[in-house]
Amino acid sequence: EAGVTQSPTHLIKTRGQQATLRCSPISGHTSVYWYQQALGLGLQFLLWYDEGEERNRGNFPPRFSGRQFPNYSSELNVNALELEDSALYLCASSLGQRTCNEQFFGPGTRLTVL
Amino acid sequence: DAKTTQPPSMDCAEGRAANLPCNHSTISGNEYVYWYRQIHSQGPQYIIHGLKNNETNEMASLIITEDRKSSTLILPHATLRDTAVYYCIGLNDYKLSFGAGTTVTVRA
Repeated sequence: EAGVTQSPTHLIKTRGQQATLRCSPISGHTSVYWYQQALGLGLQFLLWYDEGEERNRGNFPPRFSGRQFPNYSSELNVNALELEDSALYLCASSLGQRTCNEQFFGPGTRLTVL
Repeated sequence: DAKTTQPPSMDCAEGRAANLPCNHSTISGNEYVYWYRQIHSQGPQYIIHGLKNNETNEMASLIITEDRKSSTLILPHATLRDTAVYYCIGLNDYKLSFGAGTTVTVRA
C-alpha cells in the first residue's frame, strides 16, 4: 500500500514569491494535516483538512492557506514568502473516523526561501 | 534510562477519551513512568506518573501493563486545549530525558 506522498521534494523560492506544496494521503484516509518543522524545532501544526473542509489551523498568518480536493489530496499555499518560512513542510493523513487516529507522515517538502 | 517509543502524531476527537500509547520495553524495575505535555510556546507541564499500579488524577489516568513494558495515558474527555506534544519518560536518578513525544491534535 502506498504511503503519503508529497511533491516537490525540494522547492527554492525568493522572498515575496508564492509556494505551492502538494500532498496525497494514504488511500482511504480523509484527514490531511500540514506541519512546519523549522531547523532545530519540533513539528508546528499548520492546518487540518477533513472531508474537503478546513477544520482547524495553527498559529500562522493568513498567508498560509490550503485546500483539500474531492479525492482528499491537499495543497498548501504560502504567499508573500519570507526568509523564516524556510523549513521542512510535512503532510500527514489519518482515517479521521475513530476516537484517536495515528497520523502517517509523508517525506516532506524542503522549502528554501532566498 | 529507558528508551521510550511513541507514535509521532495522533489526532483525537473532542469530548471523547484520548488514549496515548507508549512503549518502554527496557524500563528497569525502579524506573518510574512519567508523562508530560508541552503546549505550543510553553514549558513542559507535568501530567501524571506511576511505577506499577494504575494511577489517576484530575488530569488523566495512567495504565501500566503488568510487565511494565508499555503504558497508556488516558485523557478522559479531550478538549481543544489538550492539543500539545505529549512525552512519555522513564525517570531514574531524577533525570528526565525528553524524546520526540506524540504531537496530539484534538479535533472538534
